[in-house]
Amino acid sequence: QLQLQESGPGLVKPSETLSLTCTVSGGSISSSSYYWGWIRQPPGKGLEWIGSIYYSGSTYYNPSLKSRVTISVDTSKNQFSLKLSSVTAADTAVYYCARRGITGTLDYWGQGTLVTVSS
Amino acid sequence: DIQLTQSPSFLSASVGDRVTITCRASQGISSYLAWYQQKPGKAPKLLIYAASTLQSGVPSRFSGSGSGTEFTLTISSLQPEDFATYYCQQLNSYPLFTFGPGTKVDIK
Repeated sequence: QLQLQESGPGLVKPSETLSLTCTVSGGSISSSSYYWGWIRQPPGKGLEWIGSIYYSGSTYYNPSLKSRVTISVDTSKNQFSLKLSSVTAADTAVYYCARRGITGTLDYWGQGTLVTVSS
Repeated sequence: DIQLTQSPSFLSASVGDRVTITCRASQGISSYLAWYQQKPGKAPKLLIYAASTLQSGVPSRFSGSGSGTEFTLTISSLQPEDFATYYCQQLNSYPLFTFGPGTKVDIK
């Protein structure tokens, strides 16, 4: 059974860089069929797609966040990572990692991790 | 950019009710639409893809329909475990995509 698990600091200071890692188990991140992505959800609000990455390193980002986002992949560790720079309180959210399946939908999700931006 | 709207944003219903949620796209997206269910404190769960195809393991009381700009998610007989927030997602802009704002289904 495929599992995804987010990890990283739960508190980040304003203007600093948010860094999270998603570890994939029960399957290979190097499968040619899938993309891997990050989605966030501010408290009490809806879902926002951040970006996606293919095992080869090809990336696609939400245009509204593109200037601050970097997503990378480490196939040797079966992990992919998110960096979001110059954070503000508006970046406080639960961050989810997910697999984008062959139908294009997000068919496996991590449990999510709350990241609070505060001094 | 393709924008999605959902209606209603909130609905109150009873167990056994038939519930319909609508998702509208700002431009045609063929059948490139999915539906997710999210319960408090949990990650979203995929219910339907390609507008009307039920994801494996999802109860048959859930169904989806529509194409182009208007889509519906129907729960034929609402069960206690169905009280949640439902989101639509468009995949027409692949590899970019967007979510709708959500519809919360609450107990009457």
